[in-house]
Amino acid sequence: AQSVTQLDSQVPVFEEAPVELRCNYSSSVSVYLFWYVQYPNQGLQLLLKYLSGSTLVKGINGFEAEFNKSQTSFHLRKPSVHISDTAEYFCAVGSSNTGKLIFGQGTTLQVKP
Amino acid sequence: DTEVTQTPKHLVMGMTNKKSLKCEQHMGHRAMYWYKQKAKKPPELMFVYSYEKLSINESVPSRFSPECPNSSLLNLHLHALQPEDSALYLCASSQEGREGIGELFFGEGSRLTVL
Repeated sequence: AQSVTQLDSQVPVFEEAPVELRCNYSSSVSVYLFWYVQYPNQGLQLLLKYLSGSTLVKGINGFEAEFNKSQTSFHLRKPSVHISDTAEYFCAVGSSNTGKLIFGQGTTLQVKP
Repeated sequence: DTEVTQTPKHLVMGMTNKKSLKCEQHMGHRAMYWYKQKAKKPPELMFVYSYEKLSINESVPSRFSPECPNSSLLNLHLHALQPEDSALYLCASSQEGREGIGELFFGEGSRLTVL
């Protein structure tokens, strides 16, 4: 069975500081990995995805993530955050076998001025 | 701008009312989804339509009734809901027929309050 763990429920950070949101997964089969962002009062939007190939994935709004198979991690990073990055971030793992998508519990990123 | 449009954005209904949520996409996607999201929680899958046919029902109570009139439209009919059904209802679509293997495009959601 697949599972996703987002290790931090809340991450407060000052504007222009770097940030890392952590995500670990477990799966016995090959997986697809996603990060979605949800701004207040909106739906989810894809930030980036790993399907295959290069383990360093670049997404929108300056975010990137690295797929680490040995550590079963897919941490999200941004070198310098803005107030507008304040949102809920969801890591998700999908399986080509089951077609299911499992979301993590989410991490609230709070960017302070 | 979101390419998945949901109406209404807000809905308040009593437990005896019948109402519907609507969703529309014009990206030619083959799969459409309904999710329920409680505050500060991840979305929970309710239904999946693939090629206009219901392919997944995640054991959702019958007071929720989905309908897919055509490949661009998805409805969720609501009847005799309970206060615990109050939530944000998200519609999504994808090119792939299964949620776990490609990008999901979400609407902004319909916030439902059941009194």
